[in-house]
Amino acid sequence: EVQLVESGGGLVQPGRSMKLSCAASGFTFSNYGMAWVRQAPTKGLEWVATISYDGSSTYYRDSVKGRFTISRDNAKSTLYLQMNSLRSEDTATYYCTRDPAAGSLLLVWYFDFWGPGTMVTVSS
Amino acid sequence: IQLTQSPSLLSASVGDRVTLSCKGSQNINNYLAWYQQKLGEAPKLLIYNTNSLQTGIPSRFSGSGSGTDYTLTISSLQPEDVATYFCYQYNNGLTFGSGTKLEIK
Repeated sequence: EVQLVESGGGLVQPGRSMKLSCAASGFTFSNYGMAWVRQAPTKGLEWVATISYDGSSTYYRDSVKGRFTISRDNAKSTLYLQMNSLRSEDTATYYCTRDPAAGSLLLVWYFDFWGPGTMVTVSS
Repeated sequence: IQLTQSPSLLSASVGDRVTLSCKGSQNINNYLAWYQQKLGEAPKLLIYNTNSLQTGIPSRFSGSGSGTDYTLTISSLQPEDVATYFCYQYNNGLTFGSGTKLEIK
């Protein structure tokens, strides 16, 4: 059974940093692209970043470019999101998701499995 | 591409055939998915590539459409289908619709 479990969320002041982790199990993590998607309170969903199966390619939405870094450790089956210079508008639940294209740099760009999410609140 | 979902709130009876709409500001070329999000849970993939049913999803869910106009249909509404439904396009950029909240009458 595919499982994705996020951790690392919490309350952080504007301008500070936070690192999210996502522990994956139930599938061969190193074969799949992965992504982070967020949802602000009572708002819709927003793609944040994607990384290829081997970490060689990364993609970001414009509003987080230069501030957020997506990375992965395939030996640990773990996905990360390093968030710097956080803003109030980054407040959201952050979901770890899987791109279903396996074993290829060709991502399909939708998400077949999601973790339960971790809440990030940016506030002074 | 911006996505507009309608209606924003839909109330229907158990057993009803329900249709949810998603319209793109540009051609989506069938790169459209539907997600179901129940209260307090993560979204779940229902449909991808307009009309492909994700493994494990009941066959009462189906998707259709082309160009800018897409539809999610539930053939016979069940109580467990109460949720918010989001469409999502991955043809040009990556964007989600604002959602349709589905309730039981």
